[in-house]
Amino acid sequence: DAKTTQPNSMESNEEEPVHLPCNHSTISGTDYIHWYRQLPSQGPEYVIHGLTSNVNNRMASLAIAEDRKSSTLILHRATLRDAAVYYCIHRKLTFGKGITLSVRP
Amino acid sequence: DVKVTQSSRYLVKRTGEKVFLECVQDMDHENMFWYRQDPGLGLRLIYFSYDVKMKEKGDIPEGYSVSREKKERFSLILESASTNQTSMYLCASSLSLIREPQHFGDGTRLSIL
Repeated sequence: DAKTTQPNSMESNEEEPVHLPCNHSTISGTDYIHWYRQLPSQGPEYVIHGLTSNVNNRMASLAIAEDRKSSTLILHRATLRDAAVYYCIHRKLTFGKGITLSVRP
Repeated sequence: DVKVTQSSRYLVKRTGEKVFLECVQDMDHENMFWYRQDPGLGLRLIYFSYDVKMKEKGDIPEGYSVSREKKERFSLILESASTNQTSMYLCASSLSLIREPQHFGDGTRLSIL
C-alpha cells in the first residue's frame, strides 16, 4: 500500500515558519518523496522532491528522516499566498487528501 | 515551462452522452495521467499512459476509457455519462514515472445533468 498519512489541516501565522509533516512508512528504497500544493481553482503544482538527503529550492525545504519513513516540508516564512492544500506522495500515482494549510495575517 | 492544457474549464453534459475531455502537453513527455478530484477524497487516478497507444488502468477506471494517438495528446472518454461522474478532472504529464515531477493542467469541472 503506497498511502501517506498527513494531518487534515494546520494553521500558521504570516511570516512564521511552517513545518508540514508526512508519514510514509511503506516507502521502498527507490521511491522518491514528492510534495505538491494546490491553490484554489488550480491544478496541483510541484513544490519539491527528494530521495534520502534534505533538499532546498526557492519554494521550500524538504527534511527526510534517516529511516525515510517520514518527511517534513518546511516553508521558511509563510505568506498568505501559501494557503493551499499540500500533498505528500511517494508513489507518483497515489495522492491522498493532503493537508489544508491556513495562514493568518 | 511545461504547459499542460485542458480543452475546457467548465463543461455541462447530459446523462447518457458520450463525453470527451482533451489534454495536450508541450514538453514531449512520455507519461500522461488523468485524475478526478472530489471533496474529501483527494485525487484519484483513472488511467495513465506511458507511451503512444499504451495505457494502464488506475484506481478507478470503471466507466472511463482513454486514447493516446499522439504523444502530446491524451483524451479521457466517458462512454455513457452518469451523474456520479460529475467531478473535477485533472490531466498531468511527466518525463519519467519515478523521479521527475508531474505537471498538471488547471482542470475541467464537469457537470452531468
